[in-house]
Amino acid sequence: AQSVTQLGSHVSVSEGALVLLRCNYSSSVPPYLFWYVQYPNQGLQLLLKYTTGATLVKGINGFEAEFKKSETSFHLTKPSAHMSDAAEYFCAVSDRGGADGLTFGKGTHLIIQP
Amino acid sequence: EADIYQTPRYLVIGTGKKITLECSQTMGHDKMYWYQQDPGMELHLIHYSYGVNSTEKGDLSSESTVSRIRTEHFPLTLESARPSHTSQYLCASSELETDYNSPLHFGNGTRLTVT
Repeated sequence: AQSVTQLGSHVSVSEGALVLLRCNYSSSVPPYLFWYVQYPNQGLQLLLKYTTGATLVKGINGFEAEFKKSETSFHLTKPSAHMSDAAEYFCAVSDRGGADGLTFGKGTHLIIQP
Repeated sequence: EADIYQTPRYLVIGTGKKITLECSQTMGHDKMYWYQQDPGMELHLIHYSYGVNSTEKGDLSSESTVSRIRTEHFPLTLESARPSHTSQYLCASSELETDYNSPLHFGNGTRLTVT
């Protein structure tokens, strides 16, 4: 069975600082990896995804993530935080492709300090 | 702008009532899903559908039922609501996979409170 661990239920950074949200997964087969963002009172929205190919994946709003197989990690980063980045971020993994095989992490609440 | 719509956004209802949460999408997606979301917890898949007349139970056991009579519509029903059903319910859809990376499109959710 696959699992997803997101380190830190809350992360606080200053506006303009680096954002780093950690995600580690366990999967018995090469995984498909996703980051979703949820703004207040909204559903989830896809930020970026890794399926095959280049391990550094660029997403929307300046976010990117790097798949590191040796570390079983898929950490999300953004060089400079903006107030509008305040949201809940979910890492998800699928071992067979397709959304019905997705396992979500518990989410990380990103707080941006002015 | 959302192409998947959930109504109502908020619902407060008494124990024992029957409720139906509505979900419709305009993207022509074959696959649709219902997730349950509680604060600080993972999203849990409770139902999904591959298309018309197809429904499957997800990873999390749920007393709710679903139907898929039309491609665009995937309602969720609770025959007798209980306080333990209090949660946020998220509906989502996706294309049938062609290359195994079809993302989910989510609605804005229904926050259900059972008193």
